[in-house]
Amino acid sequence: SQTIHQWPATLVQPVGSPLSLECTVEGTSNPNLYWYRQAAGRGLQLLFYSVGIGQISSEVPQNLSASRPQDRQFILSSKKLLLSDSGFYLCAWNLASGRARASTDTQYFGPGTRLTVL
Amino acid sequence: EDQVTQSPEALRLQEGESSSLNCSYTVSGLRGLFWYRQDPGKGPEFLFTLYSAGEEKEKERLKATLTKKESFLHITAPKPEDSATYLCADLGAGNMLTFGGGTRLMVKP
Repeated sequence: SQTIHQWPATLVQPVGSPLSLECTVEGTSNPNLYWYRQAAGRGLQLLFYSVGIGQISSEVPQNLSASRPQDRQFILSSKKLLLSDSGFYLCAWNLASGRARASTDTQYFGPGTRLTVL
Repeated sequence: EDQVTQSPEALRLQEGESSSLNCSYTVSGLRGLFWYRQDPGKGPEFLFTLYSAGEEKEKERLKATLTKKESFLHITAPKPEDSATYLCADLGAGNMLTFGGGTRLMVKP
């Protein structure tokens, strides 16, 4: 069965510091991978998605970047955190469609990382 | 622009008191309507996918239905362990999910 991991689970960082959040998926190959942010009391906002190694699409302009160095690894980064970057970050995966676009398959979410920027 | 609206934002029920949550969407050419359950501090857990108007799916005390412009999540005789935030999302062009703001359900014993 497939498993998705995220770490760290919680993180408190000062404004202006760098960020690196990691997501890995086990039990599947060539998944589509997604990063979402969930602000307090609000819905999920898609930040980035990837259909393959080195292929990143950004959905919103922001202070963050994403990379996919390996098939089942997705990293969310920032060079300098802002207060507005605080939130709950979720990674998700689904089965690839076999095309160079995100799949219609159900997305499954990881446990999330709670980021607080002070 | 695709919009997904969930109502109510919060719902308090007594144990055993059935009710429904609403999810309305504006996307044309719906490719799927997804329901998730999210417990505090955790990632969303997949519940259902609906693809066409008239479709229904059930799981324990939950039943999801779909019309051309909205979906309902019916909760029959809820228990305290059903307390959670329920999220819906539609799948539109580009195969991207658009999420609603969620309904926070609290079931009192």
